Amino acid sequence: GIQVEQSPPDLILQEGANSTLRCNFSDSVNNLQWFHQNPWGQLINLFYIPSGTKQNGRLSATTVATERYSLLYISSSQTTDSGVYFCAVEDYGGSQGNLIFGKGTKLSVKP
Amino acid sequence: SAVISQKPSRDICQRGTSLTIQCQVDSQVTMMFWYRQQPGQSLTLIATANQGSEATYESGFVIDKFPISRPNLTFSTLTVSNMSPEDSSIYLCSARTGTNYGYTFGSGTRLTVV
Repeated sequence: GIQVEQSPPDLILQEGANSTLRCNFSDSVNNLQWFHQNPWGQLINLFYIPSGTKQNGRLSATTVATERYSLLYISSSQTTDSGVYFCAVEDYGGSQGNLIFGKGTKLSVKP
Repeated sequence: SAVISQKPSRDICQRGTSLTIQCQVDSQVTMMFWYRQQPGQSLTLIATANQGSEATYESGFVIDKFPISRPNLTFSTLTVSNMSPEDSSIYLCSARTGTNYGYTFGSGTRLTVV
């Protein structure tokens, strides 16, 4: 099955710093999403981005489908950005709704 | 995109008992999905729930342990049966209401079995 790898696994930032999170996937996908899981376990959909670039405030994401990777940029980080960031993909041949999640990047933003 | 209400948000249960988790979507959806997230792990799909038919379970998950109901196009329940401490996890439901939005998740149920 499709493999999803995220890096780095852990990241510690000082408030105000910028960061880039990476997601590599092993096969063609028809859906790619970035999620933020807050300390209470809630999973927030950040971007639906099977290809191209999107921006939402301090966050932006780019997916290069032909090269099978996606990047999530966080600028001017805030303590509320802390949590785990997941990349998830849905492959062409898989069951609908079966999102394959990476292991996540755990981000800690220090004041 | 969909808004999904999930309850309870958390519960502590005795081993051997069962817990039913509910998810309500603010619009009609064909399929709803149930995921499990074990402590410190990523999410794994348990089953897909279609209205009017039995749920489809992924490898490693069985109906006797995780019975699912889907009585209409906006609602679903997942029951965790005969619980053991190994069932302690976050359980999340998911749905998709538009091709441009991807999948939306409920707020999750943090289950602890003692």
